[in-house]
Amino acid sequence: QVHVVESGGGLAKFGGSLRLSCAASGFTFTDYYMSWIRQAPGKGLEWVSYISSGGSTIDYADSVKGRFTISRDNAKNSLYLQMNSLRVEDTSVYYCARSLRWPNAFDIWGQGTMVTVSS
Amino acid sequence: HSALTQPASVSGSPGQSITISCTGSSSDIGGYNYVSWYQQHPGKAPKLMIYDVSNRPSGVSNRFSGSKSGNTASLTISGLQADDEADYYCTSYTSSSTVLFGGGTKLTVL
Repeated sequence: QVHVVESGGGLAKFGGSLRLSCAASGFTFTDYYMSWIRQAPGKGLEWVSYISSGGSTIDYADSVKGRFTISRDNAKNSLYLQMNSLRVEDTSVYYCARSLRWPNAFDIWGQGTMVTVSS
Repeated sequence: HSALTQPASVSGSPGQSITISCTGSSSDIGGYNYVSWYQQHPGKAPKLMIYDVSNRPSGVSNRFSGSKSGNTASLTISGLQADDEADYYCTSYTSSSTVLFGGGTKLTVL
């Protein structure tokens, strides 16, 4: 069965760091771009970052550029998001998503992991 | 890039058709055929309904269709059903090599 499972969310303080992980299974991980997308409580979706299948192409939303780093370990079928200099406005459910087609056809989503940043 | 503009809410009766619009600019929707639409039920992860403007992933009902004209994309749902009641989001690729979401539209089935 094709799915992705996020982990690593939790409570962090303003200015702190967290590292999210996403474990993929049921498909050839190296064939797909992967993305992180977030959703603040009661708000809409916001794309955060994507990474190409080999890791050579990466981009970020302006709201996280310079603070967040996306990476992947194809040997472990895993995607990561290192979040530094966290802000209260980063509080969201963070989803890991597979791209059926680049750049924005996200066909497989995880259940999400909640990140709460306190002041 | 500002968020793509969607109506906050739309409604329709069972069996009817509704259309949700998504307005951007020549730097996003108007410049690329990379528009996707997502359905999200409360407490659930989003589901891909349309990609590349008008393509349906396997398993998505043909009651859902997408189109684009200029800087505006549209999602049409025909034969409205109770289970279609959900939030819908559009997205587009942008000239900054990023992905932009719309603010979301709440669909109510009367």
